Amino acid sequence: DTGVSQDPRHKITKRGQNVTFRCDPISEHNRLYWYRQTLGQGPEFLTYFQNEAQLEKSRLLSDRFSAERPKGSFSTLEIQRTEQGDSAMYLCASSSDVFIYGYTFGSGTRLTVV
Amino acid sequence: SQELEQSPQSLIVQEGKNLTINCTSSKTLYGLYWYKQKYGEGLIFLMMLQKGGEEKSHEKITAKLDEKKQQSSLHITASQPSHAGIYLCGADSQGGSEKLVFGKGMKLTVNP
Repeated sequence: DTGVSQDPRHKITKRGQNVTFRCDPISEHNRLYWYRQTLGQGPEFLTYFQNEAQLEKSRLLSDRFSAERPKGSFSTLEIQRTEQGDSAMYLCASSSDVFIYGYTFGSGTRLTVV
Repeated sequence: SQELEQSPQSLIVQEGKNLTINCTSSKTLYGLYWYKQKYGEGLIFLMMLQKGGEEKSHEKITAKLDEKKQQSSLHITASQPSHAGIYLCGADSQGGSEKLVFGKGMKLTVNP
C-alpha cells in the first residue's frame, strides 16, 4: 500500500464546467476526509466518511459540491458549475483512528478554474 | 469557532541553528497535531499531543503542549535543509471531533 492516492494531480477547467476528483485511501482505513486549501491558508474541512456513511459536512460544502464513498473504499468529490473561487488544492486524507495516528494525507488535486 | 494562530509566519535560518514555532489556540485545546507540507504537496504527519505538559520528539523535532496557555510549540534542533517547508498545526475543535481546524502555517527556509 503506497498511501493515499489522489487523481488527477492537476485540473484546469473553464468556469461553469463540472469536475470530479477521486481519492483512494489506505486500504485498511475506514475513515476518509476531504479538505480544501487555498494559497497561504491552512486546510479547511469539507466532509468526512466512516466507511460509506457521510457523517459530517461543512457549511463550505455548497449545493454545488457532492462527495460519495459508495463502497466504503475510494471516494469522489464533484463540483458542479465551477466558479473561480473554487480554485484551490483539494486534499484527501484517511485514518484508522485519528486520535492515535492523525490523518494520512494524499498529495492533493490542484484545481484551477479559468 | 476555534482559530489557531501560528508564529512566526515565516522564518529563514542558517543550517545548524535551532528554532521554535508556536501555535496558539483561541479555545481549549483537546488535541494538537503538527504537520509539515512541501510546496504543492500534501501534509505529512509529524506528531500529535493530547495532554497538557505532553512532550514528544522525533529525530530532531520536539513538540510540547501547554494546556493552560492553549499553546503548542515545535522546536527544531540543528536545522538542516531537509527541514524546510511549511509547518502547520491542527486542532480537534470540539473535543472528540474528527474534524481538524488548521493554522495558516509557518514557512521555514534553511540556508546551507
